[in-house]
This record gives sequence, structure tokens and C-alpha cells, in this order.
Amino acid sequence: GAGVSQSPSNKVTEKGKDVELRCDPISGHTALYWYRQRLGQGLEFLIYFQGNSAPDKSGLPSDRFSAERTGESVSTLTIQRTQQEDSAVYLCASSLGSYNEQFFGPGTRLTVL
Amino acid sequence: RKEVEQDPGPFNVPEGATVAFNCTYSNSASQSFFWYRQDCRKEPKLLMSVYSSGNEDGRFTAQLNRASQYISLLIRDSKLSDSATYLCVVQDSGYSTLTFGKGTMLLVSP
Repeated sequence: GAGVSQSPSNKVTEKGKDVELRCDPISGHTALYWYRQRLGQGLEFLIYFQGNSAPDKSGLPSDRFSAERTGESVSTLTIQRTQQEDSAVYLCASSLGSYNEQFFGPGTRLTVL
Repeated sequence: RKEVEQDPGPFNVPEGATVAFNCTYSNSASQSFFWYRQDCRKEPKLLMSVYSSGNEDGRFTAQLNRASQYISLLIRDSKLSDSATYLCVVQDSGYSTLTFGKGTMLLVSP
């Protein structure tokens, strides 16, 4: 069956521009997570959705970062006024529920010039 | 702040070797533990959950020591395809997100 998909796979942008990253979770998965992985670093949690609500957004690094989820399906992560330190791979994961195995998408590699 | 600490490696071992990774976590209330595997420039994938009694899946054995807040992964008879970064992952009680260690890199050579 289809796994978690993310788009775009790669995004190069100029400092100060806004970017939008998309995640399509596995169908039926109610929980959705966004992580960030900088080069050579571990995964940093950004935000968690249960259904369309976000009970935990404690990992968002600044108010330039926001995310939403609609229809208990697709989620978008928006980064406004991008900075060079935002360069990273942004990974999305989904799970059947918050206690189940998380399945990761292939990630979006963001490069801010 | 929740911490999960791992030796970053790399661990360089020949095929057929046995290798062990360790991980420590800071929150004594943590309830669930996992090992994920991440290949170079790929997404993480669940390798195995770690149970209090210890568990084995083929060549892989995971153990948990709650008193020492320590998790281990043992790989026997290493294969070239085992080369990857192994991520120690901890989940606290109730609902909570996963906290990932930075990973231990394993390189298995012919």
C-alpha cells in the first residue's frame, strides 16, 4: 500500500522567502508528526497532530513556523521569511494512533541560500 | 529537557562480527523504547521495540535496564546491509511524542 508521501522532495529558496511543505499520511492514520533533521544531527520534533488539532506544537522553533492539517489527512508546514539555519530535511511521519509505530515519509530537503 | 544519548560512532566492524550499541535516557518516567534504523539520506524505519524483559528478532537483540535508564542493541553475525545509523528512541508515559537520540553509525566491511 501507499506510504507517507511528501512534496516537494527538494526545495531551494532564497533567504526571506516563504516555503510550504506538504505531507500526505497513510490513509486512516489519525496521528501526524513533523520533524526536522539538520545535516549530521538527530531528529528534532516540531509538531504533532491528532486528527486536525495540534495538541503539541512545542517543537516549533519560532513564530515563522506554522502547520495545519485538514480533513484528517494532508498537512502543510509553512516557514515564513526563511533563514539559512532553516536548511534541513523536514520529515513527516504518521501513525494509526499516538501509541503506534510511526511511519516516515522520504522527507523534503530544504536549502535556504 | 528530555535527553537521549548515544555514542555517535562510527563503529567499523567486519562481516560476521557482533556489535553492541548503548543508549541512555534522562527521564525515569519514560515508558516505551524503540530502535529505529536510518540509511544514508533516507527516512528512519522502525527496527524493533524494546520490552522490559528484553526481546530478540533474528540477529537483533534489544535490552532495557530501567534502573540504569539504559537501552542496548546487539547485532550478531553482521551483514554488509546492516550498515546504517541506529537511532535510540524514547516515549514518555501517557501521550507524548518520540524523543530521538542522534544515532550511532555502523559500517560493516567485507
